[in-house]
Amino acid sequence: KAGVTQTPRYLIKTRGQQVTLSCSPISGHRSVSWYQQTPGQGLQFLFEYFSETQRNKGNFPGRFSGRQFSNSRSEMNVSTLELGDSALYLCASSFQEGNTEAFFGQGTRLTVV
Amino acid sequence: GQQVMQIPQYQHVQEGEDFTTYCNSSTTLSNIQWYKQRPGGHPVFLIQLVKSGEVKKQKRLTFQFGEAKKNSSLHITATQTTDVGTYFCADRETSYDKVIFGPGTSLSVIP
Repeated sequence: KAGVTQTPRYLIKTRGQQVTLSCSPISGHRSVSWYQQTPGQGLQFLFEYFSETQRNKGNFPGRFSGRQFSNSRSEMNVSTLELGDSALYLCASSFQEGNTEAFFGQGTRLTVV
Repeated sequence: GQQVMQIPQYQHVQEGEDFTTYCNSSTTLSNIQWYKQRPGGHPVFLIQLVKSGEVKKQKRLTFQFGEAKKNSSLHITATQTTDVGTYFCADRETSYDKVIFGPGTSLSVIP
């Protein structure tokens, strides 16, 4: 069974631009969560989607948004990029929402210059 | 809001020594999960603990959930270089709350 796939793996953007990251969960998984990982802040929860509905949202500004499609694939968008948005963005999928094992993708390394 | 703390932040051990990391929450947990992230890699699920006082073992790894369900520990016996990485605990207050990850404990093993 294929794992969680995130694209692209690496991205360089300039301040003010916007970016869209993609996540394809494991086949059959309906829950997708997004995290931002930085050396200083660790793993910070962004959002969680289940069956195309946002179930939970972390403490991030409105520039961070996401969505989930009917095939469970998810995208996250960051508008008006700031230098501080440079991070590893990780997507994790689970079979169902709630307290279940999460499978992480390799992540997208975003650098804002 | 809910806070999750882990100690120590860093641990350097000689290969063969034991290692323990502790996870403490400011609230009672519905369950706790542990993940390992190798340098340059992504978090990988290790285990989930659900019951108060639960103890689970995976080869040299022993996981414990506190009686009050507010803390947990991961103990590695006789560390090996393959144990290098950052160990995170993660929890939610209920099944429908957001997941909170602890800051992690970074383990270095000196051969």
